[in-house]
Order: sequence, then C-alpha cells, then structure tokens
Amino acid sequence: GAGVSQSPSNKVTEKGKDVELRCDPISGHTALYWYRQSLGQGLEFLIYFQGNSAPDKSGLPSDRFSAERTGGSVSTLTIQRTQQEDSAVYLCASSSLYPGTEAFFGQGTRLTVV
Amino acid sequence: AQTVTQSQPEMSVQEAETVTLSCTYDTSENNYYLFWYKQPPSRQMILVIRQEAYKQQNATENRFSVNFQKAAKSFSLKISDSQLGDTAMYFCAFINYNQGGKLIFGQGTELSVKP
Repeated sequence: GAGVSQSPSNKVTEKGKDVELRCDPISGHTALYWYRQSLGQGLEFLIYFQGNSAPDKSGLPSDRFSAERTGGSVSTLTIQRTQQEDSAVYLCASSSLYPGTEAFFGQGTRLTVV
Repeated sequence: AQTVTQSQPEMSVQEAETVTLSCTYDTSENNYYLFWYKQPPSRQMILVIRQEAYKQQNATENRFSVNFQKAAKSFSLKISDSQLGDTAMYFCAFINYNQGGKLIFGQGTELSVKP
C-alpha cells in the first residue's frame, strides 16, 4: 500500500480480554516500530523489528504484551488480560534500511479498556 | 541508555512570529541522526526536518530550521513566520545505528499558534 496501515482504528474491550492490533508496513521497509501514546503524552517505545534480527523488546511494559512480525512484513501487537491502564493510542511505524531515512507512521489504533 | 528530553510541555506563539522548541539528548555515540516530527490533531505523524550528526551545517526546510549544538547535545527547532497550521505536538527524536537503530522520542511540546 501507499502508507502504513493499522487496524482497527478504534477498539473498545472489556478489562481482562485479549486484543490484537495489526500493522501493515510500507512494502520493502525492513524496520518496524510499535509505540504507545497515552492522552497528550509522548511516544513510549515498545518494540522494534529490523529485518531478520532478533527484535528489541526492551520497551514492552509487562509480559502481557507481545508482538510478532510474520514474513518480515505484517506485525501484530497482542495485549493479554487487558487493564484500564493499557488504554492509549498504539502507533506503528516503518522505515527502510538506509541510515537517517524517515520513519512513516500509521494513524494508530485507539484502545479503550472499560 | 540514550534519552531525549523536551523540557517545554506547552508553548504558544502569535501568528507570523518566531518560536523555538528545545530538545536535548544523551548519547555516547558520535554518529547518529536527529529528527523533529509534527503530530497535528489528526494524529498523523509527519517528519518536519532531520539532521545528520556528522554534518556541522544546520538543516533548514522552508520556515523550519534547527540549531544543532553537538558538544552540548542540543537540537532546537525554530519555526519562522508561524502559521495556524503549525499548531501541533512536536517531537524530537534520535536514532543511532551502532545501537541497533531504535528510534527514540522525547516527551513532546504542544505548540499553539494564536491568530
């Protein structure tokens, strides 16, 4: 596609349920990032995939959070047993291999845990 | 660990005036890249300007320019002739490929341009 696509745009879930958020990066981009943005706050790094290297999971806040990237393309961020503090916008970005190139962002998924 | 700090949570400027947003970062690396991204109310992140650390010349993009002070680890954004459409959150970001290429963002500065 022309840009980074995230789905769903909005998700409301009940506390304790599992959710899956999807990111379709720009074709050919080897780097893929997930960030969490709470209301009016900055971008909290969650996880980073680069090619076939092991992902950098250093930002995942707890073991309820996990992510995978299949075939070097689509990525899914899974949150198990959701809590109210998980409510936020989850942003995905992708970029090419070349140093200094722009990261392109999706529109994000707004997750609300009730 | 590498960190990016934006010490101004909110700023405002009158239309047509100039405003400067501050950013400092911490790294022991010598080669890296710095970025300013804009996030308008639509939530879509847009690249405003980028700077390569090995280049001494400050980057400029139309009304946007940076003041890159490598020794001080400072990377401020100057917006000249501010326009109403500049109202947005502005994020400073850092990436170093010797550390794997993780893109790290500051906390953001919310800029309001007033008519």
